[in-house]
Amino acid sequence: NAGVTQTPKFQVLKTGQSMTLQCAQDMNHNSMYWYRQDPGMGLRLIYYSASEGTTDKGEVPNGYNVSRLNKREFSLRLESAAPSQTSVYFCASSVGLTSYNEQFFGPGTRLTVL
Amino acid sequence: AQSVTQPDIHITVSEGASLELRCNYSYGATPYLFWYVQSPGQGLQLLLKYFSGDTLVQGIKGFEAEFKRSQSSFNLRKPSVHWSDAAEYFCAVGPMDSNYQLIWGAGTKLIIEP
Repeated sequence: NAGVTQTPKFQVLKTGQSMTLQCAQDMNHNSMYWYRQDPGMGLRLIYYSASEGTTDKGEVPNGYNVSRLNKREFSLRLESAAPSQTSVYFCASSVGLTSYNEQFFGPGTRLTVL
Repeated sequence: AQSVTQPDIHITVSEGASLELRCNYSYGATPYLFWYVQSPGQGLQLLLKYFSGDTLVQGIKGFEAEFKRSQSSFNLRKPSVHWSDAAEYFCAVGPMDSNYQLIWGAGTKLIIEP
């Protein structure tokens, strides 16, 4: 069991470039999440997917789009990267969309936008 | 407003000494409570959680946490730390109502001195 995997691990972009962060889980979880982590701010939810075929905005969705490709995969796209999007991005999954469910996290993607 | 406060950004503890990391929350009702740990370069892993019942909760890696309703606190403790405990620790709260989103603290970085 790989758990939650993310690619790439590191990425440097120039302002205005686009990219997609990939996430996959092999735990047969229904719900998946994208967070960003910035120093001194904890985790902030960008988008989530309650189940295959559904996606919803979280706390900080501006500048991002997501796709729940199937039950396993949930991608995050930056259409036109900005320096404010420099952050560490984490994908997570859980059995279901209730706050008592443990979330399982991937290792993160460290993104720098110049 | 709902919030989670971890007052200590950094804590330095000698190996073998006891540890207490503080977490206070502001919420309308008793939420679900969590502690996650993030080792360097890794994703977050659940240490322990409180839903109801006994206010002293045991977790993995020898950690425990105590829920104090009167103080709106959920402090994490360990009797004797090991060098491998050096990591960042995050407190999170999850509402018991239909709003599933976790609210995260900013984290406390634990440094272990030899």
